[in-house]
Amino acid sequence: DQQVKQNSPSLSVQEGRISILNCDYTNSMFDYFLWYKKYPAEGPTFLISISSIKDKNEDGRFTVFLNKSAKHLSLHIVPSQPGDSAVYFCAARGRGGKLIFGQGTELSVKP
Amino acid sequence: KAGVTQTPRYLIKTRGQQVTLSCSPISGHRSVSWYQQTPGQGLQFLFEYFSETQRNKGNFPGRFSGRQFSNSRSEMNVSTLELGDSALYLCASSHDWAYNSPLHFGNGTRLTVT
Repeated sequence: DQQVKQNSPSLSVQEGRISILNCDYTNSMFDYFLWYKKYPAEGPTFLISISSIKDKNEDGRFTVFLNKSAKHLSLHIVPSQPGDSAVYFCAARGRGGKLIFGQGTELSVKP
Repeated sequence: KAGVTQTPRYLIKTRGQQVTLSCSPISGHRSVSWYQQTPGQGLQFLFEYFSETQRNKGNFPGRFSGRQFSNSRSEMNVSTLELGDSALYLCASSHDWAYNSPLHFGNGTRLTVT
């Protein structure tokens, strides 16, 4: 039972353009959502989070959007840079519960 | 501030052996979680500890166990190793057990079972 899904295993974007990474969840009890970035041979690095009382959170080039009715969240990276090339994981958690991760999307930003 | 430290970074064991992995959280963090990452399964939750108590547990067999010490450091143990236990084991810490506290990960221990 995969409660958090990232349906695109990979995404390729040109440098300077927008990268949009998508994530769907099935559990309506989730109320805290996060995005992580992971380089090979390193642990995931926390990027940005959003609670269910908001529909948007912005931090520099990174913006996370939450659509609770659709159980969908997305991460926008503008402008994309070659150093953003990595695997991106979305994660979700309900109050007192464990953090559940999606399968990841590999982003490639081409110069 | 030092990040999450996991030791060892790499480990090779044979089937049937047992292994203990160690994790030192970020100073001041009291919650520690463990995850298993494999190519086909992504990040799978193992367990979460706060103040030496297990708060949550994932769907792994009893061969996987963990504990947390009074200084918040944590260990996980895998007994009777199987080939399928080969994975990257990640430890993460957070300030407390609050639901809106992000996890900060270490670089993991790469376990290979032959």
